[in-house]
Amino acid sequence: DVKVTQSSRYLVKRTGEKVFLECVQDMDHENMFWYRQDPGLGLRLIYFSYDVKMKEKGDIPEGYSVSREKKERFSLILESASTNQTSMYLCASSLGQGATEETQYFGPGTRLLVL
Amino acid sequence: AQSVTQPDIHITVSEGASLELRCNYSYGATPYLFWYVQSPGQGLQLLLKYFSGDTLVQGIKGFEAEFKRSQSSFNLRKPSVHWSDAAEYFCAVGGYSSASKIIFGSGTRLSIRP
Repeated sequence: DVKVTQSSRYLVKRTGEKVFLECVQDMDHENMFWYRQDPGLGLRLIYFSYDVKMKEKGDIPEGYSVSREKKERFSLILESASTNQTSMYLCASSLGQGATEETQYFGPGTRLLVL
Repeated sequence: AQSVTQPDIHITVSEGASLELRCNYSYGATPYLFWYVQSPGQGLQLLLKYFSGDTLVQGIKGFEAEFKRSQSSFNLRKPSVHWSDAAEYFCAVGGYSSASKIIFGSGTRLSIRP
């Protein structure tokens, strides 16, 4: 079974703090994704990565950056947290490697509160 | 533009009753289609997926979905719901690409009446 883990289930941070959200997958997947989930808006893609050190912006990248130094780990960084970044953050991974069918597997999520 | 619409924000059904959750999509080519379920406080779990072949797809937990190309729909069904099915359900569409992004609907919250 694919396992995607996220470093924290709940986080409380103050406005202006630098925040790191970590995601690790254990299935040698090439693709990794960060989403945020807000009521009524579903999941919105922040960034994704299709290889080590490679990244692409998703639909809402503003205020976020990412890092992928190792294949299994994908970090989401909030350089200066703001209250409008209070949300549930979900990490996912998929096989990649030229696969034509791209099921994504999700971690349990990190609920971030910015005060 | 690619999009997924789940017209029902919240549905309540009685335990033991049948269930149908609606999903309509807009996609320029033959899509992959997914249904995910999210239990409270949890991540998303894949229920089922369609990418080719038989248009009636069986998934986990007794769920099934039918791909209807003419209606651009991929509705999720279950003949008899259990209290443990209370959750949020997301329909999603993706494409045939190794770096394909998946587009999610806004979700349908399912409540079960005892």
